Amino acid sequence: DIQMTQSPASLSASVGDRVTITCRTSQSIGRYLNWYQQKPGKAPNLLIYAASSLQSGVPSRFSGSGSGTDFTLTISSLQPEDFATYYCQQSYSTPRTFGQGTKVEIQ
Amino acid sequence: QVQLQESGPGLVKPSETLSLTCTVSGASISSYFWSWVRQPPGKGLEWIGYIYDSGSTNYNPSLKSRVTISVDTSNNQFSLKLSSVTAADTAVYYCAKTASMGPFDYWGQGTLVTVSS
Repeated sequence: DIQMTQSPASLSASVGDRVTITCRTSQSIGRYLNWYQQKPGKAPNLLIYAASSLQSGVPSRFSGSGSGTDFTLTISSLQPEDFATYYCQQSYSTPRTFGQGTKVEIQ
Repeated sequence: QVQLQESGPGLVKPSETLSLTCTVSGASISSYFWSWVRQPPGKGLEWIGYIYDSGSTNYNPSLKSRVTISVDTSNNQFSLKLSSVTAADTAVYYCAKTASMGPFDYWGQGTLVTVSS
């Protein structure tokens, strides 16, 4: 199985801050890396696919980068509705695996 | 607009079989890959498996001996059966649509299944 390691596990930030979350995989996965946002009691919502492609309808303040084993999700200017938990997920091989999540909290 | 809706019992006894159905609208069940993902309360996401090509399957090895995913093309539905459940199987179960090497781009709202006597 491909292991996914996200960091940090949680962070506190203020509205308007630039936020960066990293995801490292245990083996190279090319660009088969996706990012999701999950709010309490809701299903995950796809933000970024193929490492850097913005899903339709997702605000442009979200961006993704990376390839191989190291990936980054960036929120350029944090908004109140962005406080949530974020997960990375690889679609390179089965079993599909997720990172453990990064909780973004209000400072 | 693709929509998915899970249905099934919210309470299952230990050692019994958990059964859920996902009804899909806005897309043909004969296209794409269709997955089940679960999330224990307060924890992260675990992929259970998927079905594609109207019957081919791929399961997470950690659950493979207990999982069956099937499809009902006439009703545009797919289903999950998880046998010999224990309290560790208590989770919110989601169904999701995916491309072959792509992301889970559409999700159901999730259904909580509790394993308890």
